[in-house]
Amino acid sequence: AQSVTQLDSHVSVSEGTPVLLRCNYSSSYSPSLFWYVQHPNKGLQLLLKYTSAATLVKGINGFEAEFKKSETSFHLTKPSAHMSDAAEYFCVVPLSGGYNKLIFGAGTRLAVHP
Amino acid sequence: DSGVTQTPKHLITATGQRVTLRCSPRSGDLSVYWYQQSLDQGLQFLIQYYNGEERAKGNILERFSAQQFPDLHSELNLSSLELGDSALYFCASSASGADYGYTFGSGTRLTVV
Repeated sequence: AQSVTQLDSHVSVSEGTPVLLRCNYSSSYSPSLFWYVQHPNKGLQLLLKYTSAATLVKGINGFEAEFKKSETSFHLTKPSAHMSDAAEYFCVVPLSGGYNKLIFGAGTRLAVHP
Repeated sequence: DSGVTQTPKHLITATGQRVTLRCSPRSGDLSVYWYQQSLDQGLQFLIQYYNGEERAKGNILERFSAQQFPDLHSELNLSSLELGDSALYFCASSASGADYGYTFGSGTRLTVV
């Protein structure tokens, strides 16, 4: 069965420094993978998605993620953090086998300090 | 604005009561999904409807039920409410299956007192 593991529950960076949010997935095949972001008291917004085309996926707000099959990873990166990036980030995989639901990781809370 | 509309945004009610949460999907999307987000359980899939029919069921309690109407809006009914039902309830919609992701609404925050 598909699953995702977000390796850090909290990440803290300074404004202007790089961001790395780590996600490993478990799947018997190459799945679709997503990153969603949730700002405080807001809904979930799709940041980017991998659907077996290019392994380097560019998303909104300068984020990107690279699908690495050999490492079963889909880490989210951004070269330079902005204060507005402070939020919770979820790595997500759809459950296959005709089930139309998404499996969410536990989330990584990103704090950005001035 | 994501295009998925949830009402109300906030709801405070007493234990034992019943509430109805409403969701209007993005225009053209036939699938509606309900998720519950709580501090201890994270994001949990509750149920999916596709064009009026129940398509998939997750960790939905028997006290909870949902339906999707001919105009594609959906309602989630929560009854005999308990303190532990306090959570953020999200609705999402998609044009096809989960493989392409969903569009989420901004959620209904339910507080049971």
